[in-house]
Amino acid sequence: DAKTTQPPSMDCAEGRAANLPCNHSTISGNEYVYWYRQIHSQGPQYIIHGLKNNETNEMASLIITEDRKSSTLILPHATLRDTAVYYCIAVPISNFGNEKLTFGTGTRLTIIP
Amino acid sequence: GAVVSQHPSRVICKSGTSVKIECRSLDFQATTMFWYRQFPKKSLMLMATSNEGSKATYEQGVEKDKFLINHASLTLSTLTVTSAHPEDSSFYICSVRQSAVQETQYFGPGTRLLVL
Repeated sequence: DAKTTQPPSMDCAEGRAANLPCNHSTISGNEYVYWYRQIHSQGPQYIIHGLKNNETNEMASLIITEDRKSSTLILPHATLRDTAVYYCIAVPISNFGNEKLTFGTGTRLTIIP
Repeated sequence: GAVVSQHPSRVICKSGTSVKIECRSLDFQATTMFWYRQFPKKSLMLMATSNEGSKATYEQGVEKDKFLINHASLTLSTLTVTSAHPEDSSFYICSVRQSAVQETQYFGPGTRLLVL
């Protein structure tokens, strides 16, 4: 699976947009970009995923560069509850249902009041 | 997304005892469940992949005789830590997949195990 690289930490002011970058320069054409987050002492929460096109849901937007070597997760109006560790993971398109998630160290996002 | 529960949420046990952790998929039948553990200030590490009705597949370095996984139904998987020792103290988290062609995993809230 492709390796992803994220900054170890970021701060964002409450109410502002939080933009979390991820580099995945070795991603292959059959790998999705997935984002999860983990709030302290909880299980990870699925946020969003994409293959080539930009995606948006009720939680966030995902912007993937045309060459697919990097992406940005955008939380449009960050709140204190968005303070968490955010993981960007390259996940192979499933054929057999056993593809693994390999968690890196993620980005610790702190929302500042 | 899927709703996943774990029980218990936290457990304290004496060294040498066994502890069973349950993972339930509440709103769909999961053919595949995954078990992870997370040590303090570390990232999640996959322990094993559990398929309903068959033996679990363990990751390298995870002792299958110590961490017994049973996935007897499409909504329940259990992880039993046998003869637990203080070094097994960790945060154990399960996840489920909705189908074989949907890659998204949904996670349970986790179980914090403390072995004294």
